[in-house]
Amino acid sequence: EVQLVESGGGLVKSGGSLRLSCAASVFTFSSFGMNWVRQAPGKGLEWVSSITSSSSYIYYADSVKGRFTISRDNAKNSLYLQMNSLRVEDTAVYYCARMGSAGATTYFDYWGQGTLVTVSS
Amino acid sequence: QLVLTQSPSASASLGASVKLTCTLSSGHSNYAIAWHQQQPEKGPRYLMKLNSDGSHNKGDGIPDRFSGSSSGAERYLIISSLQSEDEADYYCQTWDTGIHVFGTGTKVTVL
Repeated sequence: EVQLVESGGGLVKSGGSLRLSCAASVFTFSSFGMNWVRQAPGKGLEWVSSITSSSSYIYYADSVKGRFTISRDNAKNSLYLQMNSLRVEDTAVYYCARMGSAGATTYFDYWGQGTLVTVSS
Repeated sequence: QLVLTQSPSASASLGASVKLTCTLSSGHSNYAIAWHQQQPEKGPRYLMKLNSDGSHNKGDGIPDRFSGSSSGAERYLIISSLQSEDEADYYCQTWDTGIHVFGTGTKVTVL
């Protein structure tokens, strides 16, 4: 079964940085687009960023544009999210999710278990 | 603007059926959506992709009692023979070039 395992979450002060990782296995990572989705405590799901299989296209939600950077290393079957200038409102569980195709414009068909990011003031 | 609207809650008795609705915003009635389930303290799980004509393809291992249908701008998730493990939050998702949108979620309670 497809596995997505996030890591890198933790406690950071406002204005700080953090880098999340997502290790993928049991599928051909280089053939699928990937995403980051977050969920603030007690709230719903919020899409953060998407990247196509070959990194040709990258998209961000307005709430993180200019502060977060998504990237991937297909040789290492890994997805990353570099988060800079963190704000208290970025506090959330961050999920890695696989796209249903190589592109960035379709549904998410597998999810990780998430990693918690807490930004303190 | 691409928006998905969901009712905040729904409930039904053990063994009964429940129908959840996800409504697409004006001008987007032909969009496909996906349904995701999130059980308490767990990550989301993909249930199915649901097209505007009602055709759908389910994720791996999703039981037959989960089904979907469409009518105009509305997309439905029907859960038959409700089980205790179906008590969860259910989110719909849609997409367009450069953007993904989630509904606010419906919390299903099994009575």
